[in-house]
Amino acid sequence: GAGVSQSPSNKVTEKGKDVELRCDPISGHTALYWYRQRLGQGLEFLIYFQGNSAPDKSGLPSDRFSAERTGESVSTLTIQRTQQEDSAVYLCASSTLAGVATQYFGPGTRLLVL
Amino acid sequence: RKEVEQDPGPFNVPEGATVAFNCTYSNSASQSFFWYRQDCRKEPKLLMSVYSSGNEDGRFTAQLNRASQYISLLIRDSKLSDSATYLCVVNSPNTGNQFYFGTGTSLTVIP
Repeated sequence: GAGVSQSPSNKVTEKGKDVELRCDPISGHTALYWYRQRLGQGLEFLIYFQGNSAPDKSGLPSDRFSAERTGESVSTLTIQRTQQEDSAVYLCASSTLAGVATQYFGPGTRLLVL
Repeated sequence: RKEVEQDPGPFNVPEGATVAFNCTYSNSASQSFFWYRQDCRKEPKLLMSVYSSGNEDGRFTAQLNRASQYISLLIRDSKLSDSATYLCVVNSPNTGNQFYFGTGTSLTVIP
């Protein structure tokens, strides 16, 4: 079956612009996670959604970052007024149940802020 | 203290060698444990879950030691294709349903 997909695969933007990253989870997966991975670093948790519950936003680094999810489908991560330190790979993962079940990752969006 | 800690390596081993990685975790309430593999410029992919009694999948063996709060991964008969970064993943049930990832251990298998 189809895995997690993300778009765009690469994004180059200028400092100060807003960007929107998209994640399509595996069908039927109620949990969806966003992570950030800077070059040569580990995965940094940003936010997760579980069904219709309030999302856990505790990992968002600043109020420039926000994410939405419509039901149990697509999610978008928005970064406003991008900064050079936002340059990273943004990874999305989905699973059948938050905090317990295996996560399956999408290929990521490589963001470069000039 | 970090939630999950791994020796970053790098581990450089010859083909056919046996290599082991450990990962320590800080939350005694953690219940779900995984090893993921991440190739250069790729997303992490599940290698195996780690069960309380330990589990084996071909050349890979995972162990859990709850008393000492660590998990291990043993790779036997290393192949060139095993070269990757191995990520330890632990859940945190009493601080939300997050997963915590280690920073990874780099393995290079040398011909």
